[in-house]
Amino acid sequence: GDSVTQMEGPVTLSEEAFLTINCTYTATGYPSLFWYVQYPGEGLQLLLKATKADDKGSNKGFEATYRKETTSFHLEKGSVQVSDSAVYFCALSNAQAGTALIFGKGTTLSVSS
Amino acid sequence: SAVISQKPSRDICQRGTSLTIQCQVDSQVTMMFWYRQQPGQSLTLIATANQGSEATYESGFVIDKFPISRPNLTFSTLTVSNMSPEDSSIYLCSFLRGTVYNEQFFGPGTRLTVL
Repeated sequence: GDSVTQMEGPVTLSEEAFLTINCTYTATGYPSLFWYVQYPGEGLQLLLKATKADDKGSNKGFEATYRKETTSFHLEKGSVQVSDSAVYFCALSNAQAGTALIFGKGTTLSVSS
Repeated sequence: SAVISQKPSRDICQRGTSLTIQCQVDSQVTMMFWYRQQPGQSLTLIATANQGSEATYESGFVIDKFPISRPNLTFSTLTVSNMSPEDSSIYLCSFLRGTVYNEQFFGPGTRLTVL
């Protein structure tokens, strides 16, 4: 079945460092891909999305490109801030499999000043 | 964009009791979902709730344990029945916006602890 694999955390960075969180997926057809963020004590927020190959989603300085050839959707940010400390979830939605979101296990990011 | 809220935000319950979680959206939505996030884990879909029909449960979840109501297009409830410590989780509702890209928006979650 469809699945999402994220890099294991936690990821610990200093402020202004470059961030990459790897995400790869397995799916039939042409899924939509998402990154969600969960700040401490809060629910999930949609961070960005991409709906077809080579699309780049971006928001708040974060970017991710839908790479069909490598089945990847890696999250990047050029300069992280302490306020970016959160848990990041990669997810996919495959119309052929229904409308449920399939989530990766999440990656905890901790940014120190 | 629609706002989604949940009540209660957190609760501590005794084993064997039941808790009903409410989810309210400030605009009409067709599809709503309930997820469970166990401690340190990712989200797992419990069921899909469409107004006017029975909820559709995922493998491993049953209606007797997690009854769901969807009385109208802005509201849903999830009941966690006959609770045990293994039910301690965050429960989140979400709604689907649009039908093409399956973009979901989540409530703030209900943090449940069962003693």
